[in-house]
Amino acid sequence: SQTIHQWPATLVQPVGSPLSLECTVEGTSNPNLYWYRQAAGRGLQLLFYSVGIGQISSEVPQNLSASRPQDRQFILSSKKLLLSDSGFYLCACQGQDQFNQPQHFGDGTRL
Amino acid sequence: AQSVTQLGSHVSVSEGALVLLRCNYSSSVPPYLFWYVQYPNQGLQLLLKYTTGATLVKGINGFEAEFKKSETSFHLTKPSAHMSDAAEYFCAVRRNQGGKLIFGQGTELSVKP
Repeated sequence: SQTIHQWPATLVQPVGSPLSLECTVEGTSNPNLYWYRQAAGRGLQLLFYSVGIGQISSEVPQNLSASRPQDRQFILSSKKLLLSDSGFYLCACQGQDQFNQPQHFGDGTRL
Repeated sequence: AQSVTQLGSHVSVSEGALVLLRCNYSSSVPPYLFWYVQYPNQGLQLLLKYTTGATLVKGINGFEAEFKKSETSFHLTKPSAHMSDAAEYFCAVRRNQGGKLIFGQGTELSVKP
């Protein structure tokens, strides 16, 4: 079964500092990968998704970027954090061509 | 456009009472529907899913949901609430394109002793 690792679990960063959150996946190859943000009291907002190495699609314009340097590694970054970047960030994966199957989530990073 | 609406951002029930969390969706194609649960400071855990076949779907922890096409609903139920059921619950529908999901705003379930 798929296992998703996210770290760190909690991160406190000053406004204007850079950010790098990492997500790695085990138990599957060539997955679709997703980054979500969950603001306090709100639902999940899809930020980025990737169907393969180096392939990133952005859902909303923002201060963040994503990269996928390896098949099972997905990184969320920022050059300068804004206060509005605070939230709970969740990484999810889904087997390729398994659109009727659920996404599996990591435990999240609270920024 | 597809969307998911969860009626009630907060639901409170007594321990042992029926749990009913409401979800309505809009989709131009037969939907794939999911319910997830989120405990504090954790990721989302799949409760159950509907893809095709039987419209009454049973999930983990005693939860079940019924897909009703005529009502465009996928309400989540549990006959008897337990204190450990207190969490946030999300309904989601798969987008027409690819595997992306559209989530509802979530319903926070509180269980009173």
